[in-house]
Amino acid sequence: AQSVTQPDIHITVSEGASLELRCNYSYGATPYLFWYVQSPGQGLQLLLKYFSGDTLVQGIKGFEAEFKRSQSSFNLRKPSVHWSDAAEYFCAVGAGGDMRFGAGTRLTVKP
Amino acid sequence: SAVISQKPSRDICQRGTSLTIQCQVDSQVTMMFWYRQQPGQSLTLIATANQGSEATYESGFVIDKFPISRPNLTFSTLTVSNMSPEDSSIYLCSVSPPGAGEQYFGPGTRLTVT
Repeated sequence: AQSVTQPDIHITVSEGASLELRCNYSYGATPYLFWYVQSPGQGLQLLLKYFSGDTLVQGIKGFEAEFKRSQSSFNLRKPSVHWSDAAEYFCAVGAGGDMRFGAGTRLTVKP
Repeated sequence: SAVISQKPSRDICQRGTSLTIQCQVDSQVTMMFWYRQQPGQSLTLIATANQGSEATYESGFVIDKFPISRPNLTFSTLTVSNMSPEDSSIYLCSVSPPGAGEQYFGPGTRLTVT
């Protein structure tokens, strides 16, 4: 069965610092992987996705993620965090209607 | 991508009543989904609503409690019936456009049951 683990429930970083959010997955085949962001009171917005090909994928808002098959990981990174990045981040695996979401990581940005 | 709207954006309801949530998409899509997000939690899939067929419910969710309609390829409704405080959640609809692996989400409906 497919599943997603986000080991960090809450992360605090200073504005301008780099960010890495961890995501580990379990999937029987080549996974489709996603990162979504949810700002307070909002729905989920797709940041980026990986289906195949280059294992480093670029997304919106300056985010990138790297697929590492050997580690079953798909970590999200950003070189310099902005205060507006404070939100909940969800990693997901699957495709179409068969998608599983992680528990989420709440990001707090310190001034 | 797809642009999705939901109505209402939020509501406060009394226990024992029902609320119908509407989801409208700006393009025709076959696959539409309804999720529940309890406070501080991740998303839980309630059901898949494909046009032209009965909704498929996930374990723990039943049609009598969460009836769904899907009259056409751009619209769906979810009703939360006989509500209790435990139904207080954000309800989200999403779609997966043809050929896309990803889902696109509406802004959600924040429901509080008193």
